[in-house]
Order: sequence, then structure tokens, then C-alpha cells
Amino acid sequence: DAGVTQSPTHLIKTRGQQVTLRCSPKSGHDTVSWYQQALGQGPQFIFQYYEEEERQRGNFPDRFSGHQFPNYSSELNVNALLLGDSALYLCASSVRGWETQYFGPGTRLLVL
Amino acid sequence: AQSVAQPEDQVNVAEGNPLTVKCTYSVSGNPYLFWYVQYPNRGLQFLLKYITGDNLVKGSYGFEAEFNKSQTSFHLKKPSALVSDSALYFCAVRDINFSGAGSYQLTFGKGTKLSVIP
Repeated sequence: DAGVTQSPTHLIKTRGQQVTLRCSPKSGHDTVSWYQQALGQGPQFIFQYYEEEERQRGNFPDRFSGHQFPNYSSELNVNALLLGDSALYLCASSVRGWETQYFGPGTRLLVL
Repeated sequence: AQSVAQPEDQVNVAEGNPLTVKCTYSVSGNPYLFWYVQYPNRGLQFLLKYITGDNLVKGSYGFEAEFNKSQTSFHLKKPSALVSDSALYFCAVRDINFSGAGSYQLTFGKGTKLSVIP
């Protein structure tokens, strides 16, 4: 049974560029949440997608957007990258958003 | 608003000794509480959760946690530490109001680095 998968594992971009990160949820899960983990910090909630809609959003600017596909996989898009966007981006999946969220290995983004 | 505090940045314990990693929380309704562990360059791995019921929760790898509503705490414990337990531990909370609805997001503490010394 495959767990949560994310791609790519690492990414290097320059300021002002745009990036797309991808996530496939655990089998049987229909909800995807995205978190940003800066170095030395706990994960910060970006948003959650359920039934292809953004259901809840954390305190992140509109440069951060997402999408969920009919097969429940999801993308995180970040526009106009800033140096401060350098972080580990974690995807988590769950059933209807309740109870336990299971995390993927993350995508490490470096913005130069 | 929901929040989590992990007062210790680092905990050192000798192999074979009991370990405790502390966590306190703040919510406006009822808490759903979680512990996750993170190994270097890896994602978060679920250890255990408290939703309702028995205040002592048992999880993976011999870990357990005790929910204390009066002290708003959810400390992680293990009777006998292993060197392989050395990792970064995160406590997280979801705020559930009395009608059963509430926040879907997890709010995490800053993490506690556990070092088990051989």
C-alpha cells in the first residue's frame, strides 16, 4: 500500500520564478493538505483541498495557490518566488479532512 | 485560535532510561492532539493521537502520551529509550468546537530534538 508521494524531491529556483509541486495521497484518502516547514521550525498550514475545492487556508499570501484533481492528487503553485519561500513543503492526506493526517517525504525548495 | 508550545528545544536521555517530551496546547473548543516524529531529511511520521476517551494513549514503537485537560498538556513518554529514538518530535493540535465542527488545519509546535545517548 503506497503512502503519500511527492515530486520532485528537490528543486532550485531563482527569485521571481514560479514553481509547481505535486502530491499523490495515500490510497483511500480524499483530502490533501499542504504545509511549509522552514528550517528549525514546525510545519505551517498553507491550505487544504477537499472535493477539488480549497476548504481552508492558513496565513499565506495569494502567491500560494493549489489545485486538486478528480483522482484526489494535488498541486501546490507558488508564484513570484521570494528568498523566504525556501523551505520543505509537506503534503498530508486524510479521509474527509478528519482525524489523522499522513505526511509525504516533502519537497525541498531552494530559492536563490 | 489554536496554539502549541514545546518548551524544550532539546532533550537528552541515556539509553534505557525513561523519556518525556513536553507539550502544552491552547484551543477554544476541544482538542484533537497528535505526536509526529521527523528523521533527518524525511517527512513527518505519525506516532499517536488523542481524540476522546482514555487519557492515556498508546502509539507506535512503544510510545505513549497522557492527556491532561486541567493542565492543557499532552506529554509524550516512553519507558525505556533507544538510540534509534533520536529524532525531532512535533506535537500538533486541531480545535474542535462543541458542535463537532472546527478547524481542519493542524497547528504544530516548534519541535523538540531528542538525543538518546548510548
